[in-house]
Amino acid sequence: DAGVIQSPRHEVTEMGQEVTLRCKPISGHNSLFWYRQTMMRGLELLIYFNNNVPIDDSGMPEDRFSAKMPNASFSTLKIQPSEPRDSAVYFCASSPGQFYTGELFFGEGSRLTVL
Amino acid sequence: QKEVEQNSGPLSVPEGAIASLNCTYSDRGSQSFFWYRQYSGKSPELIMFIYSNGDKEDGRFTAQLNKASQYVSLLIRDSQPSDSATYLCASYGSSASKIIFGSGTRLSIRP
Repeated sequence: DAGVIQSPRHEVTEMGQEVTLRCKPISGHNSLFWYRQTMMRGLELLIYFNNNVPIDDSGMPEDRFSAKMPNASFSTLKIQPSEPRDSAVYFCASSPGQFYTGELFFGEGSRLTVL
Repeated sequence: QKEVEQNSGPLSVPEGAIASLNCTYSDRGSQSFFWYRQYSGKSPELIMFIYSNGDKEDGRFTAQLNKASQYVSLLIRDSQPSDSATYLCASYGSSASKIIFGSGTRLSIRP
């Protein structure tokens, strides 16, 4: 299996621009998670989907952030407009759905820099 | 108070010794606990999970859980330089219904 695939791996943009991050989960996994990691705040859960339905988006910082999962094999996280404080590594993870095992499979991450 | 707390380190341990990593959590409803390892510039990977009080062993790794004290630990025996990484503690509980990570402890194994 190819694992969780994220793109782009690196993104440098200017403040005010729209940023779209993409994720392809592992086939057969029915839960998908978007996390953000910074030195100051660690690994924060932004939103997660179960069977393509958003279950908990309480971690989404503000209305500038939105996430979609149109089908079982694709998800996007969009930031519009982007700000310098959005600079972080954004991880997508998928899971077979058994939360008690905590078995999240992470992608390699998308490193975002907003100038 | 953070829901999952860890000492950020760095924790320096000589090669061959036992490395002890600790974590406390605030939600008494937490049911399961996890240790992830993250090498610099890489993504986290699951090492172990535990949901019953006591010890759980897997090779050189032992996870310990004490629900009364709300305390989780990870012991790494015969530490190797390849164990140098950041170790993230995480919890899952019915009240939160999601997996919450601590900020991680950076471990350095010195030859």
